[in-house]
Amino acid sequence: QVQLQQSGPGLVKPSQTLSLTCAISGDSVSSNSATWHWIRQSPSRGLEWLGRTYFRFHWYNDYAVSVKSRVTINPETSKNRFSLQLKSVTPEDTAMYFCARISQGTDGTNAFDIWGQGTVVTVSS
Amino acid sequence: QSVLTQPPSASGTPGQRVTISCSGSSSNIGGNTVHWYQHLPGSAPKLLIYSNNVRPSGVPDRFSGSKSDTSASLAISGLQSEDEADYYCAAWDDSLNGVVFGGGTKLTVL
Repeated sequence: QVQLQQSGPGLVKPSQTLSLTCAISGDSVSSNSATWHWIRQSPSRGLEWLGRTYFRFHWYNDYAVSVKSRVTINPETSKNRFSLQLKSVTPEDTAMYFCARISQGTDGTNAFDIWGQGTVVTVSS
Repeated sequence: QSVLTQPPSASGTPGQRVTISCSGSSSNIGGNTVHWYQHLPGSAPKLLIYSNNVRPSGVPDRFSGSKSDTSASLAISGLQSEDEADYYCAAWDDSLNGVVFGGGTKLTVL
């Protein structure tokens, strides 16, 4: 079955860059019927979508307006994974971060049907 | 301030039926399908309902979803203590070109 395994540091200093990776098993980051997302959750803001990457003959990205100037999501095809980079973090970026898949097409849900285990990231000096 | 509006809390006693509402606009719920997630703090959210009213395999039929115009609802019948969790609605937003969530509803089983 499809699984997502997250990795990355749990503590980031203010003004630095938060970097997380999501390794995919049972599917492909280059799939034409899936999109790959980063989402975060905090008690004050609930669930917040950060952005996505996907392949449809070319690579595409879309980002949330709230983080667009600071976020990058990149596919890494050779390792079948994708990454999140969030620059210039502040304590407000402290949250639990999740990667997730949306499956599309005739058998897809068009919803986040597979999630990573989550990574608690604290922004603090 | 979330794009989709949900009540912050809901409650019920075991066996009761509760509903959670989700209000949006023409750019999200009005033109796209709605999905519902169940979230227990410290774990990954779980897909509960997709495409307005479809239950993934393994989700009990006590959970049901509906949509009308720019609003959607999640209903839970035969409430059980294990249903105590946070529930979120979500949809694609054509104006923002991204996924938007509701603020979440904390369900308490009394």
